Amino acid sequence: EVQLVESGGGLVQPGGSLRLSCVASGFTLNDYWMHWVRQAPGKGLVWVSEIHIDGLTVYADSMRGRFTISRDIAKNTLFLQMSGLRADDTATYYCVRSTSGFDLWGQGARVTVSS
Amino acid sequence: DIQMTQSPTSLSASVGDRVTITCRASQGMGTALSWYQQKPGKAPKRLIFDVSTLHSGVPSRFSGSGSGTEFTLTITNLQPEDFATYYCLQHGRYPLTFGGGTEVGIK
Repeated sequence: EVQLVESGGGLVQPGGSLRLSCVASGFTLNDYWMHWVRQAPGKGLVWVSEIHIDGLTVYADSMRGRFTISRDIAKNTLFLQMSGLRADDTATYYCVRSTSGFDLWGQGARVTVSS
Repeated sequence: DIQMTQSPTSLSASVGDRVTITCRASQGMGTALSWYQQKPGKAPKRLIFDVSTLHSGVPSRFSGSGSGTEFTLTITNLQPEDFATYYCLQHGRYPLTFGGGTEVGIK
C-alpha cells in the first residue's frame, strides 16, 4: 500500500527540539519532491519545507534556520528536525509527497510546545 | 509572496446544491494550482491539480477552472460526504501558499 506514516510528535518545552520521522511505503521516497506542511489547531494549512530529488532543500521564512528537512534513502524515511521551538510552532505536521501539488499525505504528527 | 485569498470563508448549503469556491492570487500565475478537501481530524486529500485535472478516484461532481489570478472549485449536486473544509494551493512560486480555507456546512 502506498502511504506515509509520521511519528515523533509530542510535548516539548519552549526552546526545545524535536525530530519528526515519516516512513514511506509502496514507493521510493527519493523519486519525488517531499514536503512538510503544518496546521495549527483550528487554523489553516501552512507549507514548511521541501526536499528535491537532488537533495536541494527549501524552507518557509519563519522556519529557516530552526528547521531542517532531510531523508534517509536506505530507510525510505523523511525527517524534520525542529529546534528553538516556540508556542506558535504548536501544530499537526504532515509529511506530503508532491506531483503537481500534494498527491499523498500522511496522517499527521501532533507537536505541542508548552511549559 | 503570492497571497491566495479564498472566498467565502464559510457557506451553508443543502444536499443537491451547486457550490462555488474562489481563490484569488495576489499576482498572475500559471497552472500550478490545486484544491484539497479536509474533514475534521483527518489529513487533507487532493481533489484537483493543474487547475482543472481531477485527481484519481475523485467524483466528477468536482471541477476546477480559472486562469491568471482567479481560480474556482465547483461542486455540483452536493452530497452528504462533501461537507468539509476546502483549500486551494499555489505551488508555482516560493513560498508555496494555501488559501485560508472554506468550510462547507449543512444548511
